[in-house]
Amino acid sequence: TQLLEQSPQFLSIQEGENLTVYCNSSSVFSSLQWYRQEPGEGPVLLVTVVTGGEVKKLKRLTFQFGDARKDSSLHITAAQPGDTGLYLCPRRRLLTDSWGKLQFGAGTQVVVTP
Amino acid sequence: DAGVIQSPRHEVTEMGQEVTLRCKPISGHDYLFWYRQTMMRGLELLIYFNNNVPIDDSGMPEDRFSAKMPNASFSTLKIQPSEPRDSAVYFCASSRFQGNIQYFGAGTRLSVL
Repeated sequence: TQLLEQSPQFLSIQEGENLTVYCNSSSVFSSLQWYRQEPGEGPVLLVTVVTGGEVKKLKRLTFQFGDARKDSSLHITAAQPGDTGLYLCPRRRLLTDSWGKLQFGAGTQVVVTP
Repeated sequence: DAGVIQSPRHEVTEMGQEVTLRCKPISGHDYLFWYRQTMMRGLELLIYFNNNVPIDDSGMPEDRFSAKMPNASFSTLKIQPSEPRDSAVYFCASSRFQGNIQYFGAGTRLSVL
């Protein structure tokens, strides 16, 4: 069984500050997705990373996939209140699964105050 | 496209009552997923369908839970009888292909008193 951990569980920062959240696994990810869930809404896909060492940028968000494909990070530069939400990095339940069988953890709750 | 539509948005019921949650997936999507989200357990996959056929229901907690997809545009998740521990937010999601992006609805917040 793959163990998936997200850290920190909760993060509260002021507008304009930077933050980083982490997703770690005891086993290799074949690929990894990051979702953001805003209050009262369902999760929305932000990015998919596939290659070890891959870095993807989405405006002020930078996603990095570890070289060994066991971990990933999400860095937000100059956070805005609109970045508030629950950040999730699901994994496949089994290595042979398609994206259809995603397993989500508790995620990291980010609160950005004005 | 209107996205995945779930109803109701909120449901409050008493223990022992039957609860039915509804979902309309995005038109043209072949896969439909039901999830449950709680503070303790996070977001859990309950069951998913492909072309209206249930593929994997291993996440369904017990026999009180059942899900159907009578056609490509409608699915239900039923809890009978409901219990307080079923209180959670239930999400429906759909995707075009098995390896494609899942689009989530806004969820149904269920409170069982």
